[in-house]
Amino acid sequence: QKEVEQNSGPLSVPEGAIASLNCTYSDRGSQSFFWYRQYSGKSPELIMSIYSNGDKEDGRFTAQLNKASQYVSLLIRDSQPSDSATYLCAVNRYSSASKIIFGSGTRLSIRP
Amino acid sequence: GAVVSQHPSWVICKSGTSVKIECRSLDFQATTMFWYRQFPKQSLMLMATSNEGSKATYEQGVEKDKFLINHASLTLSTLTVTSAHPEDSSFYICSAGTASNQPQHFGDGTRLSIL
Repeated sequence: QKEVEQNSGPLSVPEGAIASLNCTYSDRGSQSFFWYRQYSGKSPELIMSIYSNGDKEDGRFTAQLNKASQYVSLLIRDSQPSDSATYLCAVNRYSSASKIIFGSGTRLSIRP
Repeated sequence: GAVVSQHPSWVICKSGTSVKIECRSLDFQATTMFWYRQFPKQSLMLMATSNEGSKATYEQGVEKDKFLINHASLTLSTLTVTSAHPEDSSFYICSAGTASNQPQHFGDGTRLSIL
């Protein structure tokens, strides 16, 4: 079992709809969770950080965390073609203070 | 804030050459820097973790004698690919962090092409 699992996609969503990206993690002691966006040929950029159960909203993005289910998700409202990218879920490894574990990413495609 | 600068952006060189890539945290002190490699259409692969003033910790399968990492200060880490060969051609990305509960911030990456 991978430490951080994401569906590789591609996930195709019509423009204006809500895109829902999911991630599960195996280390129950994980405390910090991040979503990154990576455009093709570019390096990842941080979108959201979430540390406690529930929802956290930032503009069109909402991160959701459920530690009991070891599940974190990212919702993108009013999806735009510019949202087409690979989204990486990242989780801190509680037992290793200096390392964050990345999922393999979900490729999102917003169709006009 | 949290800007990480990586240089150079592109390198094209002959087989057998050694290539140095710099990673700097511009507006914060990075206790830990990470080096990743990414092949086309593949996931990020962590190569090594470096802490200021100590030896880097390499991931399994990464040759420490080939990929030399130096983290001499809280704002600078370097990766040297020694005697590079065509199979080392890849996208190398650094990131910097301050604490495990804080996100890593990535540099823009270095595209390395070995002829």
